[in-house]
Amino acid sequence: EPEVTQTPSHQVTQMGQEVILRCVPISNHLYFYWYRQILGQKVEFLVSFYNNEISEKSEIFDDQFSVERPDGSNFTLKIRSTKLEDSAMYFCAHTQGSNGYTFGSGTRLTVV
Amino acid sequence: GENVEQHPSTLSVQEGDSAVIKCTYSDSASNYFPWYKQELGKRPQLIIDIRSNVGEKKDQRIAVTLNKTAKHFSLHITETQPEDSAVYFCAASEDTNAGKSTFGDGTTLTVKP
Repeated sequence: EPEVTQTPSHQVTQMGQEVILRCVPISNHLYFYWYRQILGQKVEFLVSFYNNEISEKSEIFDDQFSVERPDGSNFTLKIRSTKLEDSAMYFCAHTQGSNGYTFGSGTRLTVV
Repeated sequence: GENVEQHPSTLSVQEGDSAVIKCTYSDSASNYFPWYKQELGKRPQLIIDIRSNVGEKKDQRIAVTLNKTAKHFSLHITETQPEDSAVYFCAASEDTNAGKSTFGDGTTLTVKP
């Protein structure tokens, strides 16, 4: 199965700094998602993105978060002013037909 | 919103034994129930799924059952092998394409050789 690539694989940032996480999904998919997983915990929904618009977002996805698909291929998640509690693995995902998610390789974000 | 509960949180079995993981959900509108396997440091990977119009589905050593009335579904792994050791997550969603999934807390399965 083709890979869904995320960059960077690991990012360390100072509290209050902005980070941009990138995802290169498999082409020809319309629905994209961002999930996060705090170490040792479950996978939590952040936002879904359809036809270049947010279709649904969770309580976690507050004003500090934004998503874009700036060039029609890459899919980005931006956190404007990071907090310690934003430290987690961030996964982008898409659905493939009527199957479940294909998750990206993940970005480990560490806020210090 | 949807709430998914998963039990047990940890499960240890001997190689060759069966393992069963159970989940319950709260939203009767949920109609799609995937299971993901996550090995240490890796992404979750879909291993099997079931839709609400089906009661059971099997894929080699893995099977999933769904009781829509009781709102619970289970993962069954037979003839477990050490490589089955991982964290398993159940999830529930309304729409496979556009809907978000709500995940359970995960079950850490250890298969002892």
